[in-house]
Amino acid sequence: NAGVTQTPKFQVLKTGQSMTLQCAQDMNHEYMSWYRQDPGMGLRLIHYSVGAGITDQGEVPNGYNVSRSTTEDFPLRLLSAAPSQTSVYFCASSYLSLGQGLMNTEAFFGQGTRLTVV
Amino acid sequence: KQEVTQIPAALSVPEGENLVLNCSFTDSAIYNLQWFRQDPGKGLTSLLLIQSSQREQTSGRLNASLDKSSGRSTLYIAASQPGDSATYLCAVRPGGDYKLSFGAGTTVTVRA
Repeated sequence: NAGVTQTPKFQVLKTGQSMTLQCAQDMNHEYMSWYRQDPGMGLRLIHYSVGAGITDQGEVPNGYNVSRSTTEDFPLRLLSAAPSQTSVYFCASSYLSLGQGLMNTEAFFGQGTRLTVV
Repeated sequence: KQEVTQIPAALSVPEGENLVLNCSFTDSAIYNLQWFRQDPGKGLTSLLLIQSSQREQTSGRLNASLDKSSGRSTLYIAASQPGDSATYLCAVRPGGDYKLSFGAGTTVTVRA
């Protein structure tokens, strides 16, 4: 049971480069999201999706794009990397809630991608 | 906006002592609350999920309580071990929303 898988685990980019962080889940979860974790700032939501073809912005979306063409995959794209995007990125997934107690909406997280922009 | 606070930010205890970790949130209209463990350089591992209709959840040495009206949850870890050393995060899912709001975490060190 793989759960939530993120690749790569580590990445170093030069300022201005672009790249895609991959996230895949095998639990048939409708809801997927991306967070960044910075020292002293906790986890902040970047983008999220409630199903294939549906995405929306979170708390800190600038500089990032997402798409959701399948239930399983939710890639995060950095268009033009900046040093301020140096962070640890986490992908998470869960079922959507259908009402109180009807669905277990426990969130599952990947192991993270540690990104350094120089 | 939901604000989640975890106090203290760090805690050091001798092995065998019981741990008490606190989480407070400003909006009591929550769907559920989840406790996570994070080891250095690793991802988040889910420990316990408490639905808003529940008062507590237990798993082995872990027990989490929820008092929605006062906006508080407490994670108890009985008979701590050095392997319990990690950062513990709580996250709240608001009612009618899917997005989790996280606290900054409590970093626990259990001394052998």
